[in-house]
Amino acid sequence: GAGVSQSPRYKVAKRGQDVALRCDPISGHVSLFWYQQALGQGPEFLTYFQNEAQLDKSGLPSDRFFAERPEGSVSTLKIQRTQQEDSAVYLCASRRGRSSYEQYFGPGTRLTVT
Amino acid sequence: AQTVTQSQPEMSVQEAETVTLSCTYDTSESDYYLFWYKQPPSRQMILVIRQEAYKQQNATENRFSVNFQKAAKSFSLKISDSQLGDAAMYFCAYRSPSNNAGNMLTFGGGTRLMVKP
Repeated sequence: GAGVSQSPRYKVAKRGQDVALRCDPISGHVSLFWYQQALGQGPEFLTYFQNEAQLDKSGLPSDRFFAERPEGSVSTLKIQRTQQEDSAVYLCASRRGRSSYEQYFGPGTRLTVT
Repeated sequence: AQTVTQSQPEMSVQEAETVTLSCTYDTSESDYYLFWYKQPPSRQMILVIRQEAYKQQNATENRFSVNFQKAAKSFSLKISDSQLGDAAMYFCAYRSPSNNAGNMLTFGGGTRLMVKP
C-alpha cells in the first residue's frame, strides 16, 4: 500500500515568504506528527494530531508556524515570514492509532530559505 | 523532559563484521518505549527495532539486536554480519507510554554508520 507522502520534496523560499508543506498520511492512520530535522541532527517534534484535533503543539518554535488537519487526513504545515533558521527538512509521520508502536515517516520536505 | 544521547557521531564497520551503536537516555518514567530508526541517504526513515521498557528480554530482529540496560538507561544496537545496505544514519528514539499526553518521539543526534567492502 501507499506510504506517507509529502509535497513538495524541495522548496526554496526567499526570506519573508510564506510556505505551505503538505503531508498525506497512510489511509486510516489516526495519529499524525510533524518533526523538524536540521542538517546533521536528529528530528525534533513540532506538533501532533489525533484525527483533526491538534493535541500537542508544544514543539512549534514560534507563532509563525501553524499546522492544521481539518478533515483528519491530509495535514498542512504553514510557515509565515520564513527566516533562514527555518531551513531544515520537515518530516511528517503517521501512526495507526494512539497505542500503536510504529510511526511511518514520509520522505520529508527540504526547505531552504535564502 | 526526556533526553536521548548518541555519543558516536560516526562509526565504521567492515562488511560481514559486527558493530554496536550506543545510546543513553534520561527519564523519570518507569514505563516507556525505545526505538532504533534507520535513515538511508535521501530516503525515508524506517523502524529497525523496538523495545518495551517493561520487558527484560532484549529485542531481536534478524541481524539486529539490542542490549537494553534499564538501570543504566542504556540502549545499544548491535548489527551482525554487516551489509553494504546497512550504511545509513541511525537514530535512537524514546517514547512515553500512550496514556501520556506526549506521544512524540524524542530522538538522539544520530550515528552515521559506514560499511566498508
